[in-house]
Amino acid sequence: EAGVVQSPRYKIIEKKQPVAFWCNPISGHNTLYWYRQNLGQGPELLIRYENEEAVDDSQLPKDRFSAERLKGVDSTLKIQPAELGDSAVYLCASSPEGRGGNYGYTFGSGTRLTVV
Amino acid sequence: QKEVEQNSGPLSVPEGAIASLNCTYSDRGSQSFFWYRQYSGKSPELIMFIYSNGDKEDGRFTAQLNKASQYVSLLIRDSQPSDSATYLCAVNMEYGNKLVFGAGTILRVKS
Repeated sequence: EAGVVQSPRYKIIEKKQPVAFWCNPISGHNTLYWYRQNLGQGPELLIRYENEEAVDDSQLPKDRFSAERLKGVDSTLKIQPAELGDSAVYLCASSPEGRGGNYGYTFGSGTRLTVV
Repeated sequence: QKEVEQNSGPLSVPEGAIASLNCTYSDRGSQSFFWYRQYSGKSPELIMFIYSNGDKEDGRFTAQLNKASQYVSLLIRDSQPSDSATYLCAVNMEYGNKLVFGAGTILRVKS
């Protein structure tokens, strides 16, 4: 079984430029999470999807961040425009529907974003 | 008060010793608790989860939970240099189907 696939693995952009990250969850996993991990910190949830519905986006900075999950499978997280403080690792995770809180979930390899 | 707190470390132990990692959480209604291991430059990997008070053992790892004290710990027996990593405690808060992570404890096992 393939794991959670993320791309790109690394991204360096100049501030004020747009950037997008892509995630393909484990097949059959209806719940998808985007987390951000700053250096020396634990992951922090940005948004959670149940199928194609964003059910928890309270921590997503909506002025510059957006996300979509068309057809309830792949997801894209976008930042426009990027700021220096957005430099972090962006992690995608997935779990079977409703089970992430009870059984944990699997993370992808992450995208390391550097804004210069 | 942070929702999930961990000592950042680093915790240094000699090879073969027991490493003890601790975590406290704020939400008394939390029901499930997780330990993830994260190697430098890698993503977190789930190693243990526990729901009930007491101990849960899996190989060299033992998770301990005390809901009354809002405390969860991870013991690693016979520590190996390959155990050197950051250990993240995560809690499923009562208010949502999502994990809230602590900042992690850096473990260094010296050979």
